[in-house]
Amino acid sequence: SQELEQSPQSLIVQEGKNLTINCTSSKTLYGLYWYKQKYGEGLIFLMMLQKGGEEKSHEKITAKLDEKKQQSSLHITASQPSHAGIYLCGAPLSGTYKYIFGTGTRLKVLA
Amino acid sequence: NAGVTQTPKFRILKIGQSMTLQCTQDMNHNYMYWYRQDPGMGLKLIYYSVGAGITDKGEVPNGYNVSRSTTEDFPLRLELAAPSQTSVYFCASSPGLGTYNEQFFGPGTRLTVL
Repeated sequence: SQELEQSPQSLIVQEGKNLTINCTSSKTLYGLYWYKQKYGEGLIFLMMLQKGGEEKSHEKITAKLDEKKQQSSLHITASQPSHAGIYLCGAPLSGTYKYIFGTGTRLKVLA
Repeated sequence: NAGVTQTPKFRILKIGQSMTLQCTQDMNHNYMYWYRQDPGMGLKLIYYSVGAGITDKGEVPNGYNVSRSTTEDFPLRLELAAPSQTSVYFCASSPGLGTYNEQFFGPGTRLTVL
């Protein structure tokens, strides 16, 4: 079965620092979603990647999918306290109605 | 447009009690999902539905039941609550399958079984 592994599990950075979160799949990805979760709230969709080598940016967050479509990274530039939360990657399972998710990366940004 | 709504937000149950977690979406999505999120374990799929009247089991369906009588509603039933069901439950919906159809999530229900 396909699994998504995220690293690191948790991250504490000083405000203004850059950081990267990784998501690695055991099989080829047919799409990769990044979500952000704050305590007591649901998951908020950030970005979706589909093609190998694809890169998307929104404000200070950039997500990339490698050429082999088995690894994605989420990069935050000049982090702010508002970036704090849990970041999850998710992917559709090919040929099914289902999605799988990584275990999440808990980010804390110190002011 | 409220998106996906879930009730209640919090609940404490005693072992053996029953309850229904409500989920409603107003986006006319065909696909709906129930997940549970345990600390450090990511999201596990409990049940999903591809349309009114059609449901199927996910990874961890034991101890749960669902129904889908309308497009909007997808309630999750716990018949005999057990401590192992202590978790945060998320409902999600999607307009279609796979790659170009991200899921929209509700705010979650935090359930504790004592």
